[in-house]
Amino acid sequence: DTAVSQTPKYLVTQMGNDKSIKCEQNLGHDTMYWYKQDSKKFLKIMFSYNNKELIINETVPNRFSPKSPDKAHLNLHINSLELGDSAVYFCASSPHGGNTEAFFGQGTRLTVV
Amino acid sequence: AQSVTQLDSQVPVFEEAPVELRCNYSSSVSVYLFWYVQYPNQGLQLLLKYLSGSTLVKGINGFEAEFNKSQTSFHLRKPSVHISDTAEYFCAVSEGDNQGGKLIFGQGTELSVKP
Repeated sequence: DTAVSQTPKYLVTQMGNDKSIKCEQNLGHDTMYWYKQDSKKFLKIMFSYNNKELIINETVPNRFSPKSPDKAHLNLHINSLELGDSAVYFCASSPHGGNTEAFFGQGTRLTVV
Repeated sequence: AQSVTQLDSQVPVFEEAPVELRCNYSSSVSVYLFWYVQYPNQGLQLLLKYLSGSTLVKGINGFEAEFNKSQTSFHLRKPSVHISDTAEYFCAVSEGDNQGGKLIFGQGTELSVKP
């Protein structure tokens, strides 16, 4: 029973397209995140939501729009995809703001061609 | 601002040898510290965490880490590694609710265990 699940696992698309990545957690956590891992494996936070409210937006281009329909879901929509968007995107959740660990999904490998 | 430095990008080691992966952080406030492991093509799995209390923290798979506040370090150790420990290891810091719980990661250390 997967705690944090993302779909799809792999996504290959052309420049200029719009795509979405879905994330669901069944842990009952209040806070959810999106992280980006680049080709050098460096991980950086993109967004954080607490109970459906955006609390962190780390200067991500506005082509990236997170949406949280309820506290168990945090989806990531990307408009006008660029080559530089190619990366692995990880969804994560935690019960509180940060005084405990975050639980990560398996990642979505996005390749823009 | 917070930052995390993992001093070694790659650590090759022979099976059954001890290993230490180094991590230093900078922060002006109290922090929470974590080590995560990433196996190829997988997500991140928590190895161990320091939130408060004892500075020596034990985690899964025989790993442990020691929080040293004066040296702002949180080095990860294992007395005897296995082939299956080959993976990427990430040190991370959080300032908790003050920063929305975001994790700041180090650059990662690739541990390669050879037979």
